[in-house]
Amino acid sequence: AAGVIQSPRHLIKEKRETATLKCYPIPRHDTVYWYQQGPGQDPQFLISFYEKMQSDKGSIPDRFSAQQFSDYHSELNMSSLELGDSALYFCASSLRDNSYEQYFGPGTRLTVT
Amino acid sequence: EDQVTQSPEALRLQEGESSSLNCSYTVSGLRGLFWYRQDPGKGPEFLFTLYSAGEEKEKERLKATLTKKESFLHITAPKPEDSATYLCAVQVSGGSEKLVFGKGTKLTVNP
Repeated sequence: AAGVIQSPRHLIKEKRETATLKCYPIPRHDTVYWYQQGPGQDPQFLISFYEKMQSDKGSIPDRFSAQQFSDYHSELNMSSLELGDSALYFCASSLRDNSYEQYFGPGTRLTVT
Repeated sequence: EDQVTQSPEALRLQEGESSSLNCSYTVSGLRGLFWYRQDPGKGPEFLFTLYSAGEEKEKERLKATLTKKESFLHITAPKPEDSATYLCAVQVSGGSEKLVFGKGTKLTVNP
């Protein structure tokens, strides 16, 4: 079965640079979520989109923005990167039915030097 | 504040030694409780969703149960390949679909 696709899988950036992470949800899924997982930490919710509209917002820094496009893929844009942004970034997708089950992608490992 | 607490933080078992992982939660209203398995550097892999107290679900050597305050993940006769971090997460009723995760239980199964 098709899974969530994320690219790139690894990204190395310097402080103050920008980064763009991409997410392709499972076909026919209408909701995309972004989570950040620091070393040894549990995933923390950043933002979500349903049918291309922002549906919820968590602890996402103002330096970050995201959107969902007409083909349902989503991009997380990160500017003025800081050392503390180094983490695994996961995208998850779901179908807004009664199950609310979220399926995660393999993640993008961002390292800020 | 919605909170999820998992115990123990780490668990070492011998192959074939059954045990249980605990997830206790405090939420204003529960829409669903989710169990995931996560291998190092990889994305959480969906295992189960439980919606109401008394519900049980099984998959191979894993069985998840739910009460009004906690959930258990029972592992029967584990194998080394069951070694992973098991994450519990809740989704609160009333709008947001975000998952609130516990810190996880790191399970190691020795051959």
